[in-house]
Amino acid sequence: TQLLEQSPQFLSIQEGENLTVYCNSSSVFSSLQWYRQEPGEGPVLLVTVVTGGEVKKLKRLTFQFGDARKDSSLHITAAQPGDTGLYLCAGLDNYGQNFVFGPGTRLSVLP
Amino acid sequence: NAGVTQTPKFQVLKTGQSMTLQCAQDMNHNSMYWYRQDPGMGLRLIYYSASEGTTDKGEVPNGYNVSRLNKREFSLRLESAAPSQTSVYFCAIEPGPTNNEQFFGPGTRLTVL
Repeated sequence: TQLLEQSPQFLSIQEGENLTVYCNSSSVFSSLQWYRQEPGEGPVLLVTVVTGGEVKKLKRLTFQFGDARKDSSLHITAAQPGDTGLYLCAGLDNYGQNFVFGPGTRLSVLP
Repeated sequence: NAGVTQTPKFQVLKTGQSMTLQCAQDMNHNSMYWYRQDPGMGLRLIYYSASEGTTDKGEVPNGYNVSRLNKREFSLRLESAAPSQTSVYFCAIEPGPTNNEQFFGPGTRLTVL
């Protein structure tokens, strides 16, 4: 069974600070997705990374896929209260059939 | 929520009662999924359907049944609810085999007493 771990589990920071959250596995994934989930709602896709070493930017968010396609990071620059939420990573398994989700990092950005 | 609707939004059941969670999409995608989300455990796949009329077990299928009678709808049934099934249930759709992404519904929050 392919598993994904995320760290930290919780993160509370002040508005304007930078942060990085991590998604790690001992398994290789064909692709990896990052989602953000707000209370009472379903996860919303932020980005998909496919190629080892790939870096994608979405405004103040930078996503990187590890060279070996076993890990990923999400870096937020100058965090804002609107970034508050649960950040989930998910990997597409080697059969290309099912998604494996990490437990999430709960981020709180205080004004 | 990208054209995925779920009903009901909230439900409270007593142990042993049955119920069906409904999911419908208006995006004409083949693949549909049911997940449960519990604190600290992320989302776990219960069942999925790659196309109309086909279903397969996911990571945690015990105590659940599903039905995919048409392309638009995918239902999840609890025949005899147990407190361990208290959770938030999400339905998701996937555009296709070359799209590595899923779109989720708003969820159903189920409490089993």
